Amino acid sequence: GQQLNQSPQSMFIQEGEDVSMNCTSSSIFNTWLWYKQDPGEGPVLLIALYKAGELTSNGRLTAQFGITRKDSFLNISASIPSDVGIYFCAGGNSNTGKLIFGQGTTLQVKP
Amino acid sequence: DTAVSQTPKYLVTQMGNDKSIKCEQNLGHDTMYWYKQDSKKFLKIMFSYNNKELIINETVPNRFSPKSPDKAHLNLHINSLELGDSAVYFCASSPGQGYGYTFGSGTRLTVV
Repeated sequence: GQQLNQSPQSMFIQEGEDVSMNCTSSSIFNTWLWYKQDPGEGPVLLIALYKAGELTSNGRLTAQFGITRKDSFLNISASIPSDVGIYFCAGGNSNTGKLIFGQGTTLQVKP
Repeated sequence: DTAVSQTPKYLVTQMGNDKSIKCEQNLGHDTMYWYKQDSKKFLKIMFSYNNKELIINETVPNRFSPKSPDKAHLNLHINSLELGDSAVYFCASSPGQGYGYTFGSGTRLTVV
């Protein structure tokens, strides 16, 4: 079945540093999404990308939908302690109707 | 108002029992989902309903039976619970297939 490879698996950074994580797949998706999950909560949508090559920002977050439709990255600039959590990429196809999730990147920020 | 609400938040039960988890969304979305998150935080789709019709049924034991009485509700019933069913179960909804989901806050099921 379709799989996403998300990296890195975990990151431990200093407050103020920039962060980058990415997802790759052997399959093509027509939607890429990035979610954040806080402990005890469900994933919350951060950024949705619907067109190959699309670059979208949401505050300090920037994500891109790869030209090949097989990859996406998420950057977080000037990290702050509340950025701590698990970040998931997800690829979707409207014809299958389901999102496939990456394994998650656990981010820890040291004040 | 909570957009996607699940009950209960925590469920501890013995092996062999039957239990249900309820989910309701007030977003007017047509599509609802159940996902399972294991101890390694991996999220895997179980079921999807579009306007009360089952459209996705992944390889899930038939002890798991979803029911959608209307497009705002998607419940999950689990028969003969096993230790391996312990996980966090998330309900989600979306305006259509392939769009971003809104997740509930999860139901942590522990089978002892």
